[in-house]
Parts: sequence; structure tokens; C-alpha cells
Amino acid sequence: EAGVAQSPRYKIIEKRQSVAFWCNPISGHATLYWYQQILGQGPKLLIQFQNNGVVDDSQLPKDRFSAERLKGVDSTLKIQPAKLEDSAVYLCASSRDRVNTIYFGEGSWLTVV
Amino acid sequence: QQQVKQSPQSLIVQKGGISIINCAYENTAFDYFPWYQQFPGKGPALLIAIRPDVSEKKEGRFTISFNKSAKQFSLHIMDSQPGDSATYFCAASMGSGGSNYKLTFGKGTLLTVNP
Repeated sequence: EAGVAQSPRYKIIEKRQSVAFWCNPISGHATLYWYQQILGQGPKLLIQFQNNGVVDDSQLPKDRFSAERLKGVDSTLKIQPAKLEDSAVYLCASSRDRVNTIYFGEGSWLTVV
Repeated sequence: QQQVKQSPQSLIVQKGGISIINCAYENTAFDYFPWYQQFPGKGPALLIAIRPDVSEKKEGRFTISFNKSAKQFSLHIMDSQPGDSATYFCAASMGSGGSNYKLTFGKGTLLTVNP
């Protein structure tokens, strides 16, 4: 079974620029998550989708971050404009539903300079 | 603010020794407590999890101990091996929305097992 795919793996941008990350979850997984992991800290949930509906986006900085999940499969996380403090690993994860095991991708590393 | 506090920040253990990582939580609505293991450059992977209706769960060399009254839980790694060297995260979530709902992570413990 293929794992959670993310791209790009690495991105360096200047502050105030925009960036987009793409995620393809494990086939058949209805629940998709985006987490932000700052160096030396645990992952922080940004947004959780159930199929193509948002379950929780309470920690998503909506003035600069946006996310969508088209047709309940792939998802895109966008940051515009980026700030220095957005430098982090953005982890996409998926699970069969809200109960079963969450599987994480390897992450997209963002450096904002 | 939901919080899960994890300690120690780092831990060095000799091969064959016992590694112990502790976590404490505040929100009594949490009712699912997983531990994740993360190797450099990889995403976290579920290691073992417990619900508050039991005080201990063991899977191979890994054991979770849970103290509901103290709102604390810990991970014990018996016979620690160099391959166990990784960052370990405790987490907690609210089962009423599904056990993955609002999963909140601790800050992590970097475990180093010396040969």
C-alpha cells in the first residue's frame, strides 16, 4: 500500500512570497490532516478534513493560510504571504476515518528567508 | 488551551536499559492517548495507544502506564536498542469526535540509545 505522498519536499522562499504544498493521501482514506511541525516541537494540527468537508480548522491562521481538498482526495495547503515564523515542516496525514490509525507523510520542509 | 506536557526533553540510555518518558495533560475530555515515534526526515508513526479504561497496555518491549486521577501517562521501553533512537511524542485527543479529533502532541523527547 502506497503511503501519504507530499510535494515538494523542500522549499525556500522569501518572506511575503507565496507557497503551495500538495498531498495525496492513502487510497480510501476519508480523513486528511495538515500539521505544522516547528523544529524542536510536536506537530500542531492546522486543519482536518472529512472527505471534502472541514472538521476542524481552529488553529489555521486564516489570514494567510488556506487549504482545500478537491473531490475528497488530494489536498493543497497554501501560504500567502509567508512570514519568517512559517518556517517549519508541513506534514500531511490521512486515516481511514476519525478513529483508525493516522499515517503521516514525510513532510514538506519550508524555509522562509 | 489544550496542552500535553512531556518530559524529559532528551534522554540517553545504554543498550539494554529502560527508557521512560512521561506526559501530563490538563483537559479531562481527552480520552485517547497515543505515542508516536519519529525518525529524522520522516513523519511520525503510531507506536502504541491507550484509552483511560485501562491502566497499562503492553506491546512487545513498549508499555504505556496510565494514571487517570493524576492525569499522567508514560511510555516505558524495555531492553532499549540503538534502533530505538528517535524522537518520541505523546499525544491526546477527544474520542467523542473520533479518536483522531483534535489530536494534540507534546513537544517530544529525543531518545539516544548508546551501544
